[in-house]
Amino acid sequence: KAGVTQTPRYLIKTRGQQVTLSCSPISGHRSVSWYQQTPGQGLQFLFEYFSETQRNKGNFPGRFSGRQFSNSRSEMNVSTLELGDSALYLCASSSGTANSPLHFGNGTRLTVT
Amino acid sequence: AQTVTQSQPEMSVQEAETVTLSCTYDTSESDYYLFWYKQPPSRQMILVIRQEAYKQQNATENRFSVNFQKAAKSFSLKISDSQLGDAAMYFCAYRSCYGGSQGNLIFGKGTKLSVKP
Repeated sequence: KAGVTQTPRYLIKTRGQQVTLSCSPISGHRSVSWYQQTPGQGLQFLFEYFSETQRNKGNFPGRFSGRQFSNSRSEMNVSTLELGDSALYLCASSSGTANSPLHFGNGTRLTVT
Repeated sequence: AQTVTQSQPEMSVQEAETVTLSCTYDTSESDYYLFWYKQPPSRQMILVIRQEAYKQQNATENRFSVNFQKAAKSFSLKISDSQLGDAAMYFCAYRSCYGGSQGNLIFGKGTKLSVKP
């Protein structure tokens, strides 16, 4: 079974631009969660999608948004990029039940200049 | 709100020896899940072991075992017979059973484990 795939692996953007990150979950998984990882704040939950609906949301500004498609693939969008948005963005998938573990991808390293 | 604390930013162990990583958490909930994830330089978070709070028996996965003390809100990870491939960042994580929180893991700041040959 293929694992969680995130594209691209690296991204360099300029302040004020917007960016879209992609995540393909493990086949059969209906839940996709997104996390931001920085040296200062550590790992922080952004949001979770389950069957195309946002099920849970972390404490991030509205510039961070996401969506999930009918094939469970998910995209995360960040608009009006700020220098502080530079981070590793991790996507995780699961079956979506309470006792199912999260399986993570390799992440997208976003650098904002 | 729940919090997870890992008090050891860095740890070091000799190959073949045993090391224990500490984790404490704070919650008012009675049912929840606890996890240890490993993040090597490749960046991918890999699930090491998980524990359901309602289970008193400590989870074990090969060389990895936990010491789960629910009353003390403690969840330490023991790695036996350490191998060079165990070198990584280790994160302790909490997940609530309530309120659609399945995808929301609360992570500690991590412990960087070095393994000396």
